[in-house]
Amino acid sequence: TQLLEQSPQFLSIQEGENLTVYCNSSSVFSSLQWYRQEPGEGPVLLVTVVTGGEVKKLKRLTFQFGDARKDSSLHITAAQPGDTGLYLCAGRGGSNYKLTFGKGTLLTVNP
Amino acid sequence: DSGVTQTPKHLITATGQRVTLRCSPRSGDLSVYWYQQSLDQGLQFLIQYYNGEERAKGNILERFSAQQFPDLHSELNLSSLELGDSALYFCASSVGPSGVNTGELFFGEGSRLTVL
Repeated sequence: TQLLEQSPQFLSIQEGENLTVYCNSSSVFSSLQWYRQEPGEGPVLLVTVVTGGEVKKLKRLTFQFGDARKDSSLHITAAQPGDTGLYLCAGRGGSNYKLTFGKGTLLTVNP
Repeated sequence: DSGVTQTPKHLITATGQRVTLRCSPRSGDLSVYWYQQSLDQGLQFLIQYYNGEERAKGNILERFSAQQFPDLHSELNLSSLELGDSALYFCASSVGPSGVNTGELFFGEGSRLTVL
């Protein structure tokens, strides 16, 4: 069973601060996705990373896939209240390319 | 709006009862996935269908069953409900089967089930 550990589980910061959340596993993934889930809604895809060491930027969000394709990080610069939500990483791997989700990091950005 | 429609949005029922959750995938998507989300377990994969056929099975209890119909909508049946079945149930869809390496999942808004 492929497990993804996300840390921290909870994060509460002030508007304007920077933050990094982590997604770690002992398994190798063929690709990794980050989703954001807002209250009352389903997760929405932010990014997919495929290549080890890959870095992708989405406005103030920077995503990195570890060289060994076992871990990933999400860095947010100058966080805003609109960034509040549950950030989920999901790795795809195994013989059937099943998508496995971490438990998420619940981010609260206070104005 | 993801294009995935789930009904009902909220459901309250008693232990021992049976409920059916319904999902209509995005237009053109052939794969439907069911996930259960709870505070302690996170988002757990239950089952996937592709073009009417079961494609992959996850942590789905024997009391639960699902199917995908010819029009591609799917239903998740939960029976002999227990208190611990209270959770958010999400349906997601994608264009291709799980073998698509970088396929995006489009999630519905979920069905919140409360078992009293």
